[in-house]
Amino acid sequence: DVKVTQSSRYLVKRTGEKVFLECVQDMDHENMFWYRQDPGLGLRLIYFSYDVKMKEKGDIPEGYSVSREKKERFSLILESASTNQTSMYLCASSPSPVGGEQYFGPGTRLTVT
Amino acid sequence: GEDVEQSLFLSVREGDSSVINCTYTDSSSTYLYWYKQEPGAGLQLLTYIFSNMDMKQDQRLTVLLNKKDKHLSLRIADTQTGDSAIYFCAEAGNYGGSQGNLIFGKGTKLSVKP
Repeated sequence: DVKVTQSSRYLVKRTGEKVFLECVQDMDHENMFWYRQDPGLGLRLIYFSYDVKMKEKGDIPEGYSVSREKKERFSLILESASTNQTSMYLCASSPSPVGGEQYFGPGTRLTVT
Repeated sequence: GEDVEQSLFLSVREGDSSVINCTYTDSSSTYLYWYKQEPGAGLQLLTYIFSNMDMKQDQRLTVLLNKKDKHLSLRIADTQTGDSAIYFCAEAGNYGGSQGNLIFGKGTKLSVKP
């Protein structure tokens, strides 16, 4: 079974803090994704990566950055957390190039106070 | 552009069939997916259908695809309280030329009443 793990299930941070969300997958997948999920807005793609050290902006990259130094690990960084970044963050991975099915981690619920 | 539309809510009685509908706009999509999200959890891949198929059945789940109308549906037979969740429809996108990206609908919240 594909396993995608995220470093924390729940996180509380203060405004202005730098926040790191980690995601690890164990299936040697090429592609990895970060989404945020908000009520009424569904899933919105923040960034994705299709190879080590490669990254592409999604729909809402502002206020975020990412890092992919190793194939299995994709980190989402909030440079200076703000209250409007309070959300559920979901990481996913998928094989390449065909199929497209994505496998999701359990999510990190981040609260910024 | 690419967009996936779903109704937001569906309520059924236990034992009835549930039908969740979805429309998509990218006629070049090769795969279409259904995901399930239980409260507080990530998304779980339920099933998918290839675009040259009309129907796919997997136990209690039936997926119907009407390519002409760009309409996808998920039927759950004998719906149980454990089926209560949010169901997302997704199509394979082509974001920035990279394959593997998915475009998700906003999700349909299925409530099953005993």
